[in-house]
Amino acid sequence: EPEVTQTPSHQVTQMGQEVILRCVPISNHLYFYWYRQILGQKVEFLVSFYNNEISEKSEIFDDQFSVERPDGSNFTLKIRSTKLEDSAMYFCASKPPTYNEQFFGPGTRLTVL
Amino acid sequence: SQQGEEDPQALSIQESENATMNCSYKTSINNLQWYRQNSGRGLVHLILIRSNEREKHSGRLRVTLDTSKKSSSLLITASRAADTASYFCATDKGAAGNKLTFGGGTRVLVKP
Repeated sequence: EPEVTQTPSHQVTQMGQEVILRCVPISNHLYFYWYRQILGQKVEFLVSFYNNEISEKSEIFDDQFSVERPDGSNFTLKIRSTKLEDSAMYFCASKPPTYNEQFFGPGTRLTVL
Repeated sequence: SQQGEEDPQALSIQESENATMNCSYKTSINNLQWYRQNSGRGLVHLILIRSNEREKHSGRLRVTLDTSKKSSSLLITASRAADTASYFCATDKGAAGNKLTFGGGTRVLVKP
């Protein structure tokens, strides 16, 4: 069964460094998302992406964040200058065009030191 | 409370018992979905119920939706130790992109 994959599973970085989190959505899906979950808290929406552009973003998704679909299969989230409070589990999700279910990847645990 | 709040926050039951958890939300929705998350892992989609549906079944899962009360319930029948996880409701408003708004989750412990 097709699934969303994410790499790396765990990323440790120093404050101020740039990180890129990678996702491979399910191949026939057209909508892509990033969410994050700070330890012990709710899953929070960051950004949605459709037709090669951002369709919606949350207040969390400030200028330090960017997303890209560089090659038609990968979907990346870049954080330019990480802060301690960016430490969280980051989930990628994708959705097919005709259904409302979103399918989530296993997540990348980002630890900012 | 915020959109998508579950109660109880934690639930402990014995195997074979039923587990019921509730979700309340504030604004109108298009769909409500339930997800399961095992500790430190990803979110697994369980079931989706549309705003014009009142009840839906999938295996041992039963979901109800009451749009007049802005609430939903998830019932897991004949629970198993493997059902131990956190369960989240998530709503969308049907807008383009359909972002999900998650609740805080219910932690379910099923004791063998």
